[in-house]
Amino acid sequence: QPVLTQPPSSSASPGESARLTCTLPSDINVGSYNIYWYQQKPGSPPRYLLYYYSDSDKGQGSGVPSRFSGSKDASANTGILLISGLQSEDEADYYCMIWPSNAWVFGGGTKLTVL
Amino acid sequence: QVQLVQSGAEVKKPGSSVKVSCKASGGTFSSYAISWVRQAPGQGLEWMGGIIPIFGTANYAQKFQGRVTITADESTSTAYMELSSLRSEDTAVYYCARQSGAGISAGSFDYWGQGTLVTVSS
Repeated sequence: QPVLTQPPSSSASPGESARLTCTLPSDINVGSYNIYWYQQKPGSPPRYLLYYYSDSDKGQGSGVPSRFSGSKDASANTGILLISGLQSEDEADYYCMIWPSNAWVFGGGTKLTVL
Repeated sequence: QVQLVQSGAEVKKPGSSVKVSCKASGGTFSSYAISWVRQAPGQGLEWMGGIIPIFGTANYAQKFQGRVTITADESTSTAYMELSSLRSEDTAVYYCARQSGAGISAGSFDYWGQGTLVTVSS
């Protein structure tokens, strides 16, 4: 199974923006896949945030604030979750997910700390 | 509102099997894929497989092929995940999740069960 690489940790201050990345292996083109993002807080199941394919093909989870948004950096073969106007409640683990072929694959997750 | 309610925690011996249930309410059960995802203590998420209840066809992650069986009972809106030949590394929280599409490869995991802790210990 391909490995989706996420930095283990990230931090930012309240009100700032956090940019979380999900890098695909070189043999999988990020431009060809929906990138799904999930948020998980301790002791709770994951929560679906959004998916991003392109600016014209994206979707937000039910009740997810618009300050959560997705994008891609094709040059880095990376999916991006941008959280603007950080709040303390955004402190959580964040996972990316794709379906490259015949199986769903999750990234290892990024623990976001809101300082 | 869709709700997924899973069965309770289990403690199992190595080599045995466990069967976890996931009962859906508040929506159409048969038309949406159900996936199973597990999370070992302090670790990330791992997809195990999924099923489309209306077809009864399951798809499994290669890692679990031959050891996991996912089924669904439309009459009770319940999905099941059975894992056999348990070992200590299978200790994890097991989640069911309903997808937003009718195919296992389609759509996000919109609704999640509360999770079932399975502990494998001698």
